[in-house]
Amino acid sequence: KQEVTQIPAALSVPEGENLVLNCSFTDSAIYNLQWFRQDPGKGLTSLLLIQSSQREQTSGRLNASLDKSSGRSTLYIAASQPGDSATYLCASRTNDYKLSFGAGTTVTVRA
Amino acid sequence: DARVTQTPRHKVTEMGQEVTMRCQPILGHNTVFWYRQTMMQGLELLAYFRNRAPLDDSGMPKDRFSAEMPDATLATLKIQPSEPRDSAVYFCASGLSSPFEKLFFGSGTQLSVL
Repeated sequence: KQEVTQIPAALSVPEGENLVLNCSFTDSAIYNLQWFRQDPGKGLTSLLLIQSSQREQTSGRLNASLDKSSGRSTLYIAASQPGDSATYLCASRTNDYKLSFGAGTTVTVRA
Repeated sequence: DARVTQTPRHKVTEMGQEVTMRCQPILGHNTVFWYRQTMMQGLELLAYFRNRAPLDDSGMPKDRFSAEMPDATLATLKIQPSEPRDSAVYFCASGLSSPFEKLFFGSGTQLSVL
């Protein structure tokens, strides 16, 4: 069974600092890894999807990397803003439909 | 913007009552998922449908939960009878059947069973 871990559980940074969020998984036989953002009381918004054949994906200030051999993915958020405050979850897909989610990292960006 | 629509957004009910949650997947998506989110367990898969057929409901308590897709535009999750331990946020998600595609989530139904 795939185990997905996100450390740290919470992170607080001053505005402008770069954010580094970590995700590790035990089974490297994945189709892809997806990063989501969740605001309080809201659903999950997909941020980036990295296929197993890719090393990274970028969207604006967000960059996600994937190292399947070591079972790790990292989400980088450049020049953080208060609006980036949210919980970020990673999820790996190990078969044609099942996603295994991490518990998330709650980010607070201080103005 | 296409999105997954869930109703109701919030539901407060008493133990023993029936609860029905509804989901309208994104038009054209042929897979639908029901997830439950709690602080203790995180996100758990309850049920999975492809082309309206239930393919995996192993995450659901069978004695009280049921999930259906009466048509391609509606998925339902029922709890009967509800219990306080069912209090959670229930999310519906939809996508295409390819494992290489993104999954899109609704805003969830916050359920409180008193």
